[in-house]
Amino acid sequence: QVQLVESGGGVVQPGRSLRLSCAVSGFTFSNNAMHWVRQAPGKGLEWVAIISYDGDTDHYAESVKGRFTISRDNSKNTLSLQMSSLRAEDTAVYYCARDNSQNVFDMWGQGTMVTVSS
Amino acid sequence: EVVMTQSPATLSVSPGERASLSCRASQSVRSNLAWYQQKPGQAPRLLIHGASTRATGIPARFSGSGSGTEFTLTISSLQSEDFAIYYCQQNSNWPLTFGGGTKVEIK
Repeated sequence: QVQLVESGGGVVQPGRSLRLSCAVSGFTFSNNAMHWVRQAPGKGLEWVAIISYDGDTDHYAESVKGRFTISRDNSKNTLSLQMSSLRAEDTAVYYCARDNSQNVFDMWGQGTMVTVSS
Repeated sequence: EVVMTQSPATLSVSPGERASLSCRASQSVRSNLAWYQQKPGQAPRLLIHGASTRATGIPARFSGSGSGTEFTLTISSLQSEDFAIYYCQQNSNWPLTFGGGTKVEIK
């Protein structure tokens, strides 16, 4: 069955960096664009970034542009999110999600919590 | 940015009753609208895409309608497992945006 498993979350100080990973199985990873979506505690969902199926194209929310970098390794079925210059407002559960080819999130991981605090 | 507004924020419904959730877009998104269900401590689950197409494995009691700027998710007869938060999302324009959610609670 399709599985997306995020890892790499934790507590980090403001201004520092953190790298999230998402290990994928159960489908042909290289066929789908992939996203990161986040959810601050008690809040709604916010789209963060997308990467194309081949990794050639990416796109970011304005709130993270220039600080976050999405990448993928199709040989390892892994999606990543490199986060730098972290701020308190980046505190959230970060989900990786599969794109159904129409910028709709048809499969989600269980999420990994990132807390930015001194 | 397309702003998505959901109403009501909270909907109190008795099991077996019908629930109608509204989602409004600040500009036309055509039929590029999806609905998700999220239960506490869980990831969201895709219910509806293309405004009215049920995702794989979604029961027929869930239906979506609308186009342009006005959309509705209807749950025809609420089951205990349907009490959750529901989000709409537009996939027409960048950035992709979500509504603030409607919490469906037991009356």
